[in-house]
Amino acid sequence: DGGITQSPKYLFRKEGQNVTLSCEQNLNHDAMYWYRQDPGQGLRLIYYSQIVNDFQKGDIAEGYSVSREKKESFPLTVTSAQKNPTAFYLCASRRQDIYGYTFGSGTRLTVV
Amino acid sequence: QKEVEQDPGPLSVPEGAIVSLNCTYSNSAFQYFMWYRQYSRKGPELLMYTYSSGNKEDGRFTAQVDKSSKYISLFIRDSQPSDSATYLCAMSAGNQFYFGTGTSLTVIP
Repeated sequence: DGGITQSPKYLFRKEGQNVTLSCEQNLNHDAMYWYRQDPGQGLRLIYYSQIVNDFQKGDIAEGYSVSREKKESFPLTVTSAQKNPTAFYLCASRRQDIYGYTFGSGTRLTVV
Repeated sequence: QKEVEQDPGPLSVPEGAIVSLNCTYSNSAFQYFMWYRQYSRKGPELLMYTYSSGNKEDGRFTAQVDKSSKYISLFIRDSQPSDSATYLCAMSAGNQFYFGTGTSLTVIP
């Protein structure tokens, strides 16, 4: 079955550490997205990529970095510069000619 | 002012009730309107999407868009306990998508 796989499901980060969240899709979708979800704030766009080797900042890109070396993969690195990283992170993808995302099951990141 | 406003609830209804979920928006350029359902600790799943104004029905779900009022609704008929989830509205103009904060719904057996 086609879909988006996010790993790990739960992740704990110590202060000052960088961590990388994985996102892989086998839907052959061109565009991929990273969102952050906090209670009461809805989904906020971190980064998105329309094609391989190209990506754009979203509304809250500071403290995050991404890469898009393969169509199937769009990993997100949460750097130590992100001061409040505890949140639920969602990866999504979509075909360019269809409206509506397919979302992964999310990664819950907690700073300890 | 936020692009999309959605009442967070929580909303609690008895099984079998008709549920009405709503969003308002400010950007008249929005053309595609979507509703997502999100179960606890899961990613959102697309329920319905509509283009421009009008109604769209899918089983127990009806999506309604009123562009003149900048108001969209999702109706759930004969609500079931399995409908208990958070419902997010979303809308887009071009490649930019904007989400509501979500409404938490509980259907009580």
